[in-house]
Order: sequence, then structure tokens, then C-alpha cells
Amino acid sequence: KNQVEQSPQSLIILEGKNCTLQCNYTVSPFSNLRWYKQDTGRGPVSLTIMTFSENTKSNGRYTATLDADTKQSSLHITASQLSDSASYICVVERGGGNKLTFGTGTQLKVEL
Amino acid sequence: GAGVSQSPRYKVAKRGQDVALRCDPISGHVSLFWYQQALGQGPEFLTYFQNEAQLDKSGLPSDRFFAERPEGSVSTLKIQRTQQEDSAVYLCASSRLAANTGELFFGEGSRLTVL
Repeated sequence: KNQVEQSPQSLIILEGKNCTLQCNYTVSPFSNLRWYKQDTGRGPVSLTIMTFSENTKSNGRYTATLDADTKQSSLHITASQLSDSASYICVVERGGGNKLTFGTGTQLKVEL
Repeated sequence: GAGVSQSPRYKVAKRGQDVALRCDPISGHVSLFWYQQALGQGPEFLTYFQNEAQLDKSGLPSDRFFAERPEGSVSTLKIQRTQQEDSAVYLCASSRLAANTGELFFGEGSRLTVL
């Protein structure tokens, strides 16, 4: 079964600290992996998209990594801000189709 | 428009009522997707349109769910005889390209509560 598992389920960090969110997937064949940020009550917003040949991609303070061999990805957030508080969702697109498989997300809270 | 627009943002329905949710995608976007997101979960695929053609409706949970995009732009998701388990946020997303390979832009969602 094609699955995307994320950890931790939730995380609380202090403003200014760094954190790393994890994503493991079993989706096959693989096309690309995406990270989305979803603020409460809003739609998901794309942070990064990585294909098989890319192992790292940055978007400001967000850096995503991909290991297609082990089927793992991480999202590293540097110098966190209160506005980073949101759910971060890992999404994998299966090759040859138009289906995205979403993880359940990591709920991040940044506190003063 | 500048982004994907969904309406209504909030809908409360009595069990058994029919509801219609509207999605206005980004102008010129070929692909349009509907997702269902339960509380604390990731979005689950419902259906996919390429222009006016509904190419995949395998995610629709029952025949009470129906979606259309008659002119290849605005789409409507209709739920007949709503049940409590239909309570969720319904997200619409559009993409400039055919299929998912391009960047997907999501609307704010329509939160449906069935009493």
C-alpha cells in the first residue's frame, strides 16, 4: 500500500531554534516529493518539490532533503519564527499517475 | 483570479440535506483536484479534472458525491443526502499543467459540518 508516514506528530520549540521534521514513504513508482505548510484554517502552500535526482532543496529558512534509496525525506527549519507555527505535510506523487499521497502532517508550534 | 477561490468557507447542513461547494481555480489552469481533509489528517483525493473532463473519480466515497466542471474552469462538488461522516474540509487545488507534475495551488477550503 502506498503510504507516507511523518514524525513527530507534533512538536513545540522556542522561537529562534532549529528543528527537523521527518517523512518516510513507500509510494512506488516515485515521481516527486513535496513539502507543504498548512496554517490553521487555510489551504496547504507549497514549500519545496524534489524529483528523484534532487537530494536537497532550499526555500528561505526551509531546507528539504531526499534520500530516494531509503525513501526518506526531512524538512529542516532554521531560526524558527512564531509564524512557522503550522502543520507541515509531506506529499509524494506516484510516477505515471495523477495521485498525490499525503502524510498526516507534523503540527509545529513555535513559542516565545 | 489571483488564487484559487472556494465558497462557501463554512457550511452547516442538517443530515439529509444536499450541499454544493464551489471552486474557482486560477485562470488558465488545466488541472483541478478536489480533496477531503478530516480533522488532524492529511487531504484525501476525491476527484481530478483535466479541463472539463473528469479523468479520475476513484476517490469519491459514495454515489452521493458528484463533481462537475462543465466549461473547464469553475467546478462544483455536490454532496447529496449529507451524513455526519461527510463533515470535513473540502479543498480544491489547481495546476497549470496536466496531471500533478506541476505546482499545485490550494484554495482555503470549505468546512462542512453536518449535524
